[in-house]
Amino acid sequence: GDSVTQMEGPVTLSEEAFLTINCTYTATGYPSLFWYVQYPGEGLQLLLKATKADDKGSNKGFEATYRKETTSFHLEKGSVQVSDSAVYFCALRGDDKIIFGKGTRLHILP
Amino acid sequence: EPEVTQTPSHQVTQMGQEVILRCVPISNHLYFYWYRQILGQKVEFLVSFYNNEISEKSEIFDDQFSVERPDGSNFTLKIRSTKLEDSAMYFCASTGEQSFTDTQYFGPGTRLTVL
Repeated sequence: GDSVTQMEGPVTLSEEAFLTINCTYTATGYPSLFWYVQYPGEGLQLLLKATKADDKGSNKGFEATYRKETTSFHLEKGSVQVSDSAVYFCALRGDDKIIFGKGTRLHILP
Repeated sequence: EPEVTQTPSHQVTQMGQEVILRCVPISNHLYFYWYRQILGQKVEFLVSFYNNEISEKSEIFDDQFSVERPDGSNFTLKIRSTKLEDSAMYFCASTGEQSFTDTQYFGPGTRLTVL
């Protein structure tokens, strides 16, 4: 069945460092891809999405490009802030439900 | 901005008791979902609901679970006889007219603790 694999955490970076969180997927057809973020004590918030190959989703300085050839949707940010500390979930939707990866906890040190 | 709301934020119950988790989806949305996240694990799909019936359910969603849209605004998840392993964060989500393309918007979650 469909699945999402993302890099294990926690990831610890210093403020202003470059961030990459890897995500690959397995799916039949052409799923929509998402990154959700969960800040401490809060629910899931949609960070960005891409609905077809080569689309780039972006929001709050984060970007991810839908790469069909490598079945990947890696999350990147050029300069992270302490406020970016959260758990990041890569996800896909091929039919009606969303399938999530296990999440990557990100710690940003001041 | 419209948002999905959930109540209560935290529910503590004894094993074997019934619980009802409540959600108010975004007002013009037509498709509704429940997901759960056991502590430290990934978010898992439970059930989807459209036009007053279940569209799809996962293996987790057994006979102990039920969903209902009792009125035009609420969407509820009932667990008839809770087990310790039902302890988790439960998220409600909704989406608009095109379930296969529209973004699912999530509520803040209800943390269920079964003692």
